[in-house]
Amino acid sequence: EPEVTQTPSHQVTQMGQEVILRCVPISNHLYFYWYRQILGQKVEFLVSFYNNEISEKSEIFDDQFSVERPDGSNFTLKIRSTKLEDSAMYFCASSELDGSSGNTIYFGEGSWLTVV
Amino acid sequence: AQKITQTQPGMFVQEKEAVTLDCTYDTSDPSYGLFWYKQPSSGEMIFLIYQGSYDQQNATEGRYSLNFQKARKSANLVISASQLGDSAMYFCAMREGGYSSASKIIFGSGTRLSIRP
Repeated sequence: EPEVTQTPSHQVTQMGQEVILRCVPISNHLYFYWYRQILGQKVEFLVSFYNNEISEKSEIFDDQFSVERPDGSNFTLKIRSTKLEDSAMYFCASSELDGSSGNTIYFGEGSWLTVV
Repeated sequence: AQKITQTQPGMFVQEKEAVTLDCTYDTSDPSYGLFWYKQPSSGEMIFLIYQGSYDQQNATEGRYSLNFQKARKSANLVISASQLGDSAMYFCAMREGGYSSASKIIFGSGTRLSIRP
């Protein structure tokens, strides 16, 4: 069964360092998302991406964040200068617009980011 | 603004019993979709079931069913014959817009379900 894959599964980084989280969405999906979940808290929307541009972003997605689809398969989230409060699980997700199951968003297994 | 409320932070249920996880929502959009996801301790988010606002029947997927009460704006998840593997965090989520929408979904705060043997 097709799935969203994310790398790395876990990354520890020094505060102030740049981090790139990578995702391979499901191949026929056209809509891509990043969400994050701080430990023990709810899942928060960061950004959605369609047709090589941001469709929507939340207040969390400030200037230190950026997304990119560098080729036909990868979708990346870059955090330019990490802060302690960026420590969280980051989920990539994708969706197709075929009307089935409400265009369900399918999630990857997440990337744990720990900023020290 | 859309809002999802899950009032049960945690629940304990005996194995093989049925369990209902509550979810209420608030939206002014007549067209919306409701989703349930399961998050086991390993962390991944697993899609369980979907209900569209215009769907005439309650959604079912195996042991999962969604008790959709539109007038009350509730979308409770029912798990029949619970199993030890059902122990996880469960999130209710909503998207505004109908079948043509691929906009973001917004999550509730979740319910941690623990199944007792």
